[in-house]
Amino acid sequence: EAQVTQNPRYLITVTGKKLTVTCSQNMNHEYMSWYRQDPGLGLRQIYYSMNVEVTDKGDVPEGYKVSRKEKRNFPLILESPSPNQTSLYFCASSSGQTADSPLHFGNGTRLTVT
Amino acid sequence: QKEVEQNSGPLSVPEGAIASLNCTYSDRGSQSFFWYRQYSGKSPELIMFIYSNGDKEDGRFTAQLNKASQYVSLLIRDSQPSDSATYLCAAPAGGYNKLIFGAGTRLAVHP
Repeated sequence: EAQVTQNPRYLITVTGKKLTVTCSQNMNHEYMSWYRQDPGLGLRQIYYSMNVEVTDKGDVPEGYKVSRKEKRNFPLILESPSPNQTSLYFCASSSGQTADSPLHFGNGTRLTVT
Repeated sequence: QKEVEQNSGPLSVPEGAIASLNCTYSDRGSQSFFWYRQYSGKSPELIMFIYSNGDKEDGRFTAQLNKASQYVSLLIRDSQPSDSATYLCAAPAGGYNKLIFGAGTRLAVHP
């Protein structure tokens, strides 16, 4: 089954404790992206990657890191989480070949930083 | 900063009625638009894509694009309670892969 898999689904952590949210896709998609979703603000892009070893900042990259060492994986790293990073996070992938290439989203990770 | 604006709702319609969801965008260069549906607690899923002025129909869904007015809408005919969800409008910003999303409109279809 074609899918984007995020882990964990729920995460509660404390300020400053480094964490990683994993994302993997099995569709051989070149494009992957991370979004955060907050009430009233919609989905905002954090980082995206056009291919292996190619990453770029989205609209809200501060406090986050990413890496793309393999085509299928695109982990999101919070080196020193803060309470304002409490949010619902989505990983997404796309073939990116045409204008109508849809984004395929993972199931989301709800992060709480206390 | 390119923006996509939506009324947050909730938009409440009776079962069987037409639900009309609207979206405006600030970038006159935007050529295409997506409508995603997101059920509570779930991830967004694509329901419509439109890039030409006019209407595009897919089953009970019709997307309408008016580039001159920078306005895109989604009509849902014969609304069902299962259509109750948040509908997100999105437009590419600087390439196919960078999407700017609106905050979403919550639709509630009551029996």
